Amino acid sequence: SQKIEQNSEALNIQEGKTATLTCNYTNYSPAYLQWYRQDPGRGPVFLLLIRENEKEKRKERLKVTFDTTLKQSLFHITASQPADSATYLCALEGGSAGNMLTFGGGTRLMVKP
Amino acid sequence: EAGVTQFPSHSVIEKGQTVTLRCDPISGHDNLYWYRRVMGKEIKFLLHFVKESKQDESGMPNNRFLAERTGGTYSTLKVQPAELEDSGVYFCASSHGLETQYFGPGTRLLVL
Repeated sequence: SQKIEQNSEALNIQEGKTATLTCNYTNYSPAYLQWYRQDPGRGPVFLLLIRENEKEKRKERLKVTFDTTLKQSLFHITASQPADSATYLCALEGGSAGNMLTFGGGTRLMVKP
Repeated sequence: EAGVTQFPSHSVIEKGQTVTLRCDPISGHDNLYWYRRVMGKEIKFLLHFVKESKQDESGMPNNRFLAERTGGTYSTLKVQPAELEDSGVYFCASSHGLETQYFGPGTRLLVL
């Protein structure tokens, strides 16, 4: 069955360091992959989208890579700040699942000052 | 530009009662989606409207759930009768094309 895995353990890092979050998937051929941020009590907020034919995408301090051979996406936040503390969700769209989003469980990031 | 809005923000009902959730998408967005997150689980797709038509309702759990989008603007999701396992957060999202989806703040439903 289709599966999306994100590290369910919280990631704790020091302010100023680079945070790297992982999203692995199986039995899936997504047309694109998206990363969302979710704060407690709020809905997911779109951050970045990367298509299957793209290797890397950047937006300000954010970088996403997409390896369709490894079936993995990495999400990097450089020069992390306490305000980056949130849960980050990986979502796959398109391909074999139509254009609904299929979400991973999310990884909670804590950036300490 | 106003984002996706959902009403109510919270609802507490008893098992067997009916609840109706409302979603107002971003103006001009033809695509409207409903998702749900139950405790401890990931966000799961329920259904997708394109304008007033149901494009995909493969995620609807059972026939106690009824979604409508009359006129292709706002949408309602009715749960009747509600069961304990329906508790969770119901999210609505909208999109212009078929890529980026913009989410509302969610409705937190608790069935007692």
